Amino acid sequence: GDSVTQMEGPVTLSEEAFLTINCTYTATGYPSLFWYVQYPGEGLQLLLKATKADDKGSNKGFEATYRKETTSFHLEKGSVQVSDSAVYFCALSEHYGQNFVFGPGTRLSVLP
Amino acid sequence: EAGVAQSPRYKIIEKRQSVAFWCNPISGHATLYWYQQILGQGPKLLIQFQNNGVVDDSQLPKDRFSAERLKGVDSTLKIQPAKLEDSAVYLCASSQSGGNTGELFFGEGSRLTVL
Repeated sequence: GDSVTQMEGPVTLSEEAFLTINCTYTATGYPSLFWYVQYPGEGLQLLLKATKADDKGSNKGFEATYRKETTSFHLEKGSVQVSDSAVYFCALSEHYGQNFVFGPGTRLSVLP
Repeated sequence: EAGVAQSPRYKIIEKRQSVAFWCNPISGHATLYWYQQILGQGPKLLIQFQNNGVVDDSQLPKDRFSAERLKGVDSTLKIQPAKLEDSAVYLCASSQSGGNTGELFFGEGSRLTVL
């Protein structure tokens, strides 16, 4: 079945550091890819998405590019802030908007 | 716009007892999901409704879990009898019909502890 693998956390960075959270996936078809974020005390919310190969999703300074050849969707941000501290989940959907499969999540802590 | 509402936020029960969780999705969202999130893991889909019909319940442990979505609006997830391994956060999410935007809107979750 479909699956998503993420780098294990927690990840601890200093403010203004560069962030990469790796995500790779296994799917039988051609999925859409997503990053969701869960801030402390809040529900999961969509951060960004990409629906086809070479698409780049971006939001709030975060970016991720859909790489079909490496089945990856790594999350990056050039300069993290304390307010970015959260748990980040990579996810896929084989049928756009349906049958979501989530990765285990990566906890990010940004220190001032 | 009101978000996805869930209750109760926290519940502690003993094994073999029963528990029910309630979810009210965003108004107009036809698709409703229940996920189970065990500590340190990503959310796992339990059941997906489209209006009041079940789209996918392949991972729902039907011997103890049940869910309904009467009238295609709010939904209830029940566990009876509960086991220790059911300790988790139960997340409800909703999306527009067919999930056209690919975006799920999540509630804050209901945290269950089974002793």
